[in-house]
Formats: sequence, structure tokens, C-alpha cells
Amino acid sequence: KQEVTQIPAALSVPEGENLVLNCSFTDSAIYNLQWFRQDPGKGLTSLLLIQSSQREQTSGRLNASLDKSSGRSTLYIAASQPGDSATYLCAVRSSASKIIFGSGTRLSIRP
Amino acid sequence: GAGVSQSPRYKVAKRGQDVALRCDPISGHVSLFWYQQALGQGPEFLTYFQNEAQLDKSGLPSDRFFAERPEGSVSTLKIQRTQQEDSAVYLCASSLEAGDWYGYTFGSGTRLTVV
Repeated sequence: KQEVTQIPAALSVPEGENLVLNCSFTDSAIYNLQWFRQDPGKGLTSLLLIQSSQREQTSGRLNASLDKSSGRSTLYIAASQPGDSATYLCAVRSSASKIIFGSGTRLSIRP
Repeated sequence: GAGVSQSPRYKVAKRGQDVALRCDPISGHVSLFWYQQALGQGPEFLTYFQNEAQLDKSGLPSDRFFAERPEGSVSTLKIQRTQQEDSAVYLCASSLEAGDWYGYTFGSGTRLTVV
């Protein structure tokens, strides 16, 4: 059974710092991995989607990497801004019918 | 439409009441998913449709939960005889195809509070 873990559960850093969020999964037989952002009281916004054959994806200040063999993904945020404050969720698709989410990392960027 | 639309945004139900939550997926999206998100947790899978066929309902927590997508577009999640533990945000997502290449687009969710 696929399990997804995100560490840390919460993170607070000053504005301008570069930071890394971690995601690990137990079954390396995945189709893809997706990083989402969730603001309080809102739905999920897709940030980056990495296919199983890819190693990384980049969008603006965000870079996500995938190492299937070790069951790990990282989300790198460069030059953090207060507007980046949100919960970041990692989700793994290991079957056609569902994706499994981690519990998320609550990120707070201090001005 | 441009995105996944869910209604109502908020629902307060008395314990024992039946509720119906609606999801309008992105037009043309084949796959539709329902997730339940408890406070402070990641979303948990409930059920999956490919067009009108419900292919996976392994995540539905009890027989009080029922989902349908009769014409392969709009979906309704129904909860009968609601209980306090049903309080959560219910998220709907859609995907263009059933294949593994595609990611999901989520709606804003329905926050259900059972009192």
C-alpha cells in the first residue's frame, strides 16, 4: 500500500530565503508525482507535475525533483516571498484511479 | 467551464440529515474523483469515475456515502444520515483522460459541518 510522508509538517522562514520541502513515498512504482498548493479555505492549485520518466520540473521560482528509486521528491522554492505562505501537498499517482496525498507542509514566510 | 466547480461552498447539516454535494468538472474531462479532507490532513480518496462508470469506490467510508455521475459530466456525492465525523472538506477533481500522463485539477471544495 502506497504511503506518502511530508517533512517537515510546518516551516517558518524569513523572506528571501531559499527552502526545500521534502516528500517520500513507499512504493516506487508510480506514474507521476504532483505538487499542489492549498491556501486556507481554498481548493488545491497544481504547481508542478513530474512524470515517472522525468527527473525534475521547473516553473518560475519553483523546482521539483523526483528520485523514484529512493522514493523521494523535493520542492525547491527560491527567494521566498510572503505570498508563498500556504500548505504544500505532495501527491503520488500509483494507479489509474487515484492519487495518494501526504499530510502537507504548512509554510509561513515572515516579512 | 474553465475550472472545476463545486456547490455549495459551505453546508451545515444537523446530525441525521441527508446532504448532496455537486461537482461540475472541466468540460470534456473523462475522469472525476472525490476526496475527503479532514482538518489539518491531506485529502483522502473516496471514489473515481471514468465517464459515467464508477470504477473505484474503495475509499467510501460507509454505505451512507453514495456517488453518481449519470451522464458522464456532473457528479453528485450524497451522504445519508450525516454524523459528526463526516465534517470535512469534500474536494472534487477531474482529469482529461484516464491515462497516467495527466494531472488533476481540483475544485475549491465543499466544507461540510455536521452539528
